[in-house]
Amino acid sequence: KNEVEQSPQNLTAQEGEFITINCSYSVGISALHWLQQHPGGGIVSLFMLSSGKKKHGRLIATINIQEKHSSLHITASHPRDSAVYICAVPGGSQGNLIFGKGTKLSVKP
Amino acid sequence: NAGVTQTPKFRVLKTGQSMTLLCAQDMNHEYMYWYRQDPGMGLRLIHYSVGEGTTAKGEVPDGYNVSRLKKQNFLLGLESAAPSQTSVYFCASTRGWSSNQPQHFGDGTRLSIL
Repeated sequence: KNEVEQSPQNLTAQEGEFITINCSYSVGISALHWLQQHPGGGIVSLFMLSSGKKKHGRLIATINIQEKHSSLHITASHPRDSAVYICAVPGGSQGNLIFGKGTKLSVKP
Repeated sequence: NAGVTQTPKFRVLKTGQSMTLLCAQDMNHEYMYWYRQDPGMGLRLIHYSVGEGTTAKGEVPDGYNVSRLKKQNFLLGLESAAPSQTSVYFCASTRGWSSNQPQHFGDGTRLSIL
């Protein structure tokens, strides 16, 4: 079974700062998911990537398949970015995901 | 665009009571999942379904049952609720088993067992 580790567990930043959240996994995969969970809310998919880098607005996700590592970056952070960010990898042929414990981000104005 | 809808959003039960959580998706997805989210842990798979009429156990299935009588609905049942089942439950769906398929999540059901 794949093990997913995220760091840091908690992160507090000032508005405008550059944020990096890291994810590592133990078994090779074909794609990795980054998800966002707002307080009291549901979970939304941010990125699904299998190589290189993807960008959506101020969010950038990178993955290094050989090193089994991915990073999520937020440029010019804003209080509305405050959420839990979750990394997940495929769990097998049943299509489920195996999740990291999440990184709780708080951006102060 | 409803996506994945979970009902109810909140529920408080007494130990020993039963209830059913409903998940409905309008995307014609084959694969559906029930996860639970507990403090300090990643989401864990309870049960899943790869199509209408099929269900299978996940990582933490004990104390739960599921049914998928219609493709769009996936029901999670607690026959005799226990305090250890206090959790936030998420339903998710995806088109296929390929790891390149995005997962769509509901808003969650917050369940407290007293």
